[in-house]
Amino acid sequence: DIRVTQSPSSLSALVGDRVTITCRASENISHYLNWYQQKSGQAPKLLIYAASHLQGGVPSRFSGSGSGADFTLSVSRLQPEDFATYFCQQSYDTPTTFGGGTQVEVK
Amino acid sequence: QVHLVQSGAEVRKPGASVKVSCKTSGFSFTSHYMSWVRQAPGQGLEWIGRIHPEAGSTVYAQKFEGRVSMTRDTSTTTLYLELNSLTSNDTAVYYCGRRCPYCGGDASLDFWGQGTLVSVSS
Repeated sequence: DIRVTQSPSSLSALVGDRVTITCRASENISHYLNWYQQKSGQAPKLLIYAASHLQGGVPSRFSGSGSGADFTLSVSRLQPEDFATYFCQQSYDTPTTFGGGTQVEVK
Repeated sequence: QVHLVQSGAEVRKPGASVKVSCKTSGFSFTSHYMSWVRQAPGQGLEWIGRIHPEAGSTVYAQKFEGRVSMTRDTSTTTLYLELNSLTSNDTAVYYCGRRCPYCGGDASLDFWGQGTLVSVSS
């Protein structure tokens, strides 16, 4: 199975900060990398697909980049509703696998 | 609009089985792969497998092979996940999810059910 390593596992930030989360796959997955946001007690929500494509309805302060094995999710100006846990997922191979998650907390 | 509505929480004893349902609406049921994903308390996401509702064909993660069954009822546009020989390690929230038709890959999920908590305890 393809291993997906996400970092950091948690971070503390202020409203208005720029935050960056990285995801590294154990092999080349081209652009088959998705990002999800999950709030407490809720299902994950798709934010970014195919590494850099913003899902409909997602604010433009979210962006994704990368290809091959290294990927990044950025939030340009953190808003109160962005404090949540973020997961990356490789959809290149079966089984799909997820990163361990990054919890974004209030500093 | 797309809706995935799952059945309610379940409590089982070790060794038992559980069957979770996912009622879908708002899209062509037979046109989208559907996946099941679980999340143990405070943990990450784990893919269990997928089903294509038209043919009923399934692909399961190796970890679950032999004790998982994914089925569907096309007349009610409902999916089912059955997991057997439960242990405490199966305590988790179980989600159904729809494959995103334009995202690439078979398990990019654009809509998710609300989740079903399955608790396994003696």
